[in-house]
Parts: sequence; structure tokens; C-alpha cells
Amino acid sequence: GQSLEQPSEVTAVEGAIVQINCTYQTSGFYGLSWYQQHDGGAPTFLSYNGLDGLEETGRFSSFLSRSDSYGYLLLQELQMKDSASYFCAVRDDKIIFGKGTRLHILP
Amino acid sequence: NAGVMQNPRHLVRRRGQEARLRCSPMKGHSHVYWYRQLPEEGLKFMVYLQKENIIDESGMPKERFSAEFPKEGPSILRIQQVVRGDSAAYFCASSPPTVLHTEAFFGQGTRLTVV
Repeated sequence: GQSLEQPSEVTAVEGAIVQINCTYQTSGFYGLSWYQQHDGGAPTFLSYNGLDGLEETGRFSSFLSRSDSYGYLLLQELQMKDSASYFCAVRDDKIIFGKGTRLHILP
Repeated sequence: NAGVMQNPRHLVRRRGQEARLRCSPMKGHSHVYWYRQLPEEGLKFMVYLQKENIIDESGMPKERFSAEFPKEGPSILRIQQVVRGDSAAYFCASSPPTVLHTEAFFGQGTRLTVV
């Protein structure tokens, strides 16, 4: 079967750093992606890791360890607008999403 | 370059009616995914299609649900004899025809309400 596990909720303070973890178990694997979704909106792509290591895009970074079937999304200098749900997704022959992590940001 | 277009944005159907949800992928994208999302929940995979071919429908309910992506025109997700439990947001995403392409682009979704 295929499964992706991520925390259901995370709370952090504005200006801080937060890490959202994702572990996966899938039959095939090309890479791990992260998507952001605001309430009532569509998911939007944030980052992709096809190889082990860290990918950085502005305030957001994503990490992958294929041997551990593990990745994380790191958000720095949190802003209130970062309050959203974050989904990890595995690409094999299709794209499978985790259940999402709701990020709450406190002022 | 227009993004993924879904219509209608909101759809209300009475129990027993049919719902037709449309998705036009981004220009140049030949692969389409459909996902269902219940409030406060994740994106549940339903079906993966390319033009005139269903690649993977392992997430589709066995009855009442069908999907197509014809050679011409949008992809259609069809729900026959809708029930209250079908009320959800249905998202379509498109991508180019290779697994090497890392990003899927989502439409704004169709919010289906069954009354």
C-alpha cells in the first residue's frame, strides 16, 4: 500500500522557524513534493526533492532522505500569511498526498 | 498561459441527480488528476488520466463515479445519483507527460453540495 504520515497540526510564533515532517511508504518513488493550501483555495506547489539533501527557495527549504523514507519542510521567518495547510506528496506513476499539516501562527 | 480551469466553481445538486465537473488542463499538459477533499481533510486521489486513456483509477468508487479525458475538450468527472456523502471539494490538477516533471498545477476546485 501507499501511505504518507505528517503531523495534523503545528503551532509556531511569528518570526520563528518551524519544521513539518513527512514519512512515506510507497511502491514507487520519484520524489517528494510540498504544497501549500490556504482555506478555500487551491493547493500550490512549494518545492520538490528528487535527490537526497536540502533544497532552498527563499524562506522555505525542503529536505529528503530516501534511505529513511523521510523528508521535511522548513519554514523560516514565519509570517501570518504562512498560516495554511501543508501537504507532502509522493510522485510515483501518480501523485499521492499526505493528509496535511495545519500550521497555526501566533502573533 | 491560462492555468487549470475548473467549472463550475460551485455546484448544488439534489440527491439522485447527476453532477458533471469539468477541468481544462494547462496548455501543453496531457495528464490530468482528480482529487476529492472533505472539509479539514487531505487530498484523496481519485483518478489519473491522459488523453483518451485512464492510467490509474484506483481511487475511484466502484459505482456512480466515472471520468474521461477525450481527445478534444476538457476532462469530465461524472457522479451519477449523487448522495449527501458526495458533498466535497473536487480538485483537478494537470502536469506534463513525464514523471520527471515535478509539479502539478491545480485548478480552483468545484465545491459540490448535495441537498
